[in-house]
Amino acid sequence: GENVEQHPSTLSVQEGDSAVIKCTYSDSASNYFPWYKQELGKRPQLIIDIRSNVGEKKDQRIAVTLNKTAKHFSLHITETQPEDSAVYFCAATGYSGAGSYQLTFGKGTKLSVIP
Amino acid sequence: DTGVSQNPRHKITKRGQNVTFRCDPISEHNRLYWYRQTLGQGPEFLTYFQNEAQLEKSRLLSDRFSAERPKGSFSTLEIQRTEQGDSAMYLCASSLTGATGELFFGEGSRLTVL
Repeated sequence: GENVEQHPSTLSVQEGDSAVIKCTYSDSASNYFPWYKQELGKRPQLIIDIRSNVGEKKDQRIAVTLNKTAKHFSLHITETQPEDSAVYFCAATGYSGAGSYQLTFGKGTKLSVIP
Repeated sequence: DTGVSQNPRHKITKRGQNVTFRCDPISEHNRLYWYRQTLGQGPEFLTYFQNEAQLEKSRLLSDRFSAERPKGSFSTLEIQRTEQGDSAMYLCASSLTGATGELFFGEGSRLTVL
């Protein structure tokens, strides 16, 4: 099945600086890569996603890049704000090994934005 | 609130007891997922339904776990003879498009086994 590695596990940045979170995946057939944000005690929520036919996608201060050859993808947050503080999870849809395609999540990155 | 709802939000139980969690998905979503999340980890896939059919179960789902979605609407996840290792957040999610589109998660049901 798919294996997703995420780095770093914690990240502290000053307000206004940029934050970058990186993930690698193992299944070359994976074709969908979402990023979820989970605030303390809240549900994970999709913030951006990218499909394997696209190399980069941007939505305001958030961007995601995908390198299919190297099997890695990254989340970039510019002009960070305190409300960006949360745990961010990358994920990849790969073959589950039991007949279907399922999302496999990374272990998460705790981002702290210092005012 | 028309999102995914789960209850109970918190459950404390003694080892060996049975517990049941309920998930009400977004009404038009035909796919429903159960995930488990432990501290410092991402959600781990347990099982999923398309309408009332349970199409896949992860190897993480031992024989003590059973899930149902009897009429293709709400779902229940039952854990029999709970063990301390079952302590986790159990997340339900629903979607229209499956694992290649957005999953809408509930707030989760936190289980503590003493």
